[in-house]
Amino acid sequence: QVQLVESGGGVVQPGRSLRLSCAASGFSFSTYGMHWVRQAPGKGLEWVAVMWYDGNNTYYADSVKGRFTISRDSSKNTVYLLMNSLRGEDTAIYYCARDRSFFVDFWGQGALVTVSS
Amino acid sequence: EIVLTQSPGTLSLSPGERATLSCRTSQSVSGSHLAWYQQKNGQAPRLLIYGASSRATGIPDRFSGSGSRTDFTLTISRLEPEDFAVYYCQHYGSAPSVTFGGGTKVEIK
Repeated sequence: QVQLVESGGGVVQPGRSLRLSCAASGFSFSTYGMHWVRQAPGKGLEWVAVMWYDGNNTYYADSVKGRFTISRDSSKNTVYLLMNSLRGEDTAIYYCARDRSFFVDFWGQGALVTVSS
Repeated sequence: EIVLTQSPGTLSLSPGERATLSCRTSQSVSGSHLAWYQQKNGQAPRLLIYGASSRATGIPDRFSGSGSRTDFTLTISRLEPEDFAVYYCQHYGSAPSVTFGGGTKVEIK
């Protein structure tokens, strides 16, 4: 069955960096695009980034463009989110999710990132 | 950027009642790009409906989606205890970019 497991969350000071990982299993990882979506405490869902299945195209929300980088390693069935210059407003649960062209179908359980001094 | 507005913000209903949730888009969109998700407290979202009206695998038939252009609806025909949750609509646009509505909380009356 499809599984997505995020890791790498934690508490980080403003201005510092953090890298999240999402390990995928149960499907042919190299044939699917992957997203990151976040949810601030008590708030709704906010899309963060997507990388196409072949790793050749990436797209970002304006709120993270220039600070966050999505990447993938198909040999490890893993997608990453490198977050630089973190701000308080980046505090959220970060979910990875599988792309199905016009929607996302499977989500991980999420990784909590807290940006605080 | 397309904005999705969900209403009402909170829906207070009893088990067995019908729930009607609305999602309006700021521009006309293709129904193929409209999806609905359910999120229970402390859990990840779960895909319910894609393409405006197609149920995802394993979703009970009491859940149905409809609509077109700027007005979309998620209907739960008879609420079960496990259906009390927050529901989000989502548009997957070109570029690409993904936009979520603000959510509708369905709570027990």
